[in-house]
Amino acid sequence: DIQLTQSPSSLSASVGDRVTITCRTSQNINGYLNWYQQKPGKAPKLLIYAASSLQSGVPSRFSGSGSETDFTLTISSLQPEDFGTYYCQQSYSSPTFGPGSKVDI
Amino acid sequence: QVQLQQWGAGLLKPSETLSLTCAVYGGSLSGHYWNWIRQPPGRGLEWVGEIHRSGSTHYNPSLKSRVTISLDTSGNRFSLELSPVTAADTATYYCASRHPSGSGSYVNWGQGTLVTVSS
Repeated sequence: DIQLTQSPSSLSASVGDRVTITCRTSQNINGYLNWYQQKPGKAPKLLIYAASSLQSGVPSRFSGSGSETDFTLTISSLQPEDFGTYYCQQSYSSPTFGPGSKVDI
Repeated sequence: QVQLQQWGAGLLKPSETLSLTCAVYGGSLSGHYWNWIRQPPGRGLEWVGEIHRSGSTHYNPSLKSRVTISLDTSGNRFSLELSPVTAADTATYYCASRHPSGSGSYVNWGQGTLVTVSS
C-alpha cells in the first residue's frame, strides 16, 4: 500500500487567511493525487483532482500543486464555509486516503 | 448530474452479512467505475472496492476475502456484501462514482449509511 501523511493534523485560522495543507506519499504517484473537503455528517466533496485541476463548481480560492511525493492544497483567502476536514487521496495504485487535516475558523 | 442514493441494514450482529445497495439516477452504469468507501466513527476514509460496467472488480487487499461488489444493470444499481462482519466493520459506508477524467477521484457520492456491528 502507498501510505499518505498530512500536515498539519489540525489548524485554526481566521477569515481571509491563506491556508496550506501538505500531503506526502510513500512513493512517487505521478500526480495521481486528489483532495476532498468533508463536513460533519456529510459525504466528502471533491475539490481538486490530478494534483492541480479544480473540480467544476469549486471556488477558485482552492488550488492544488505538487508532484512525485509532495503535494499541497492552498486556500488563498479562508471563508467561514471552509471549515471541515480535508483529505488527500492517491489513485496511482489501490486507493488510499490521508488521515485528514481539520480546519477550524 | 449523477445522483447516488443508497440503502441497507444499519444494525448487524458479528458473523452476519452486511448488504448495501446504491441506485444511480441521472446517468447509467456504462463507462464508469462504481465504488464503495467506508469511514469508521471519528476516523478517516478507507476504500473498500469498485466494479466496472463490464463486471470487472477490484477490492482493497485487506478486505478482499470478505467483499463482493455486484451490478444490477436492469435496475441501474450496484451492491456491496461484506461477510462475515466484526465490530471493526462498524462504519459509515458511502457509494461513489469515479470522475470521468481518469484521475481516479470520486466525484459523486451517496448520502452514507451507518452500519453498526454489535452483539
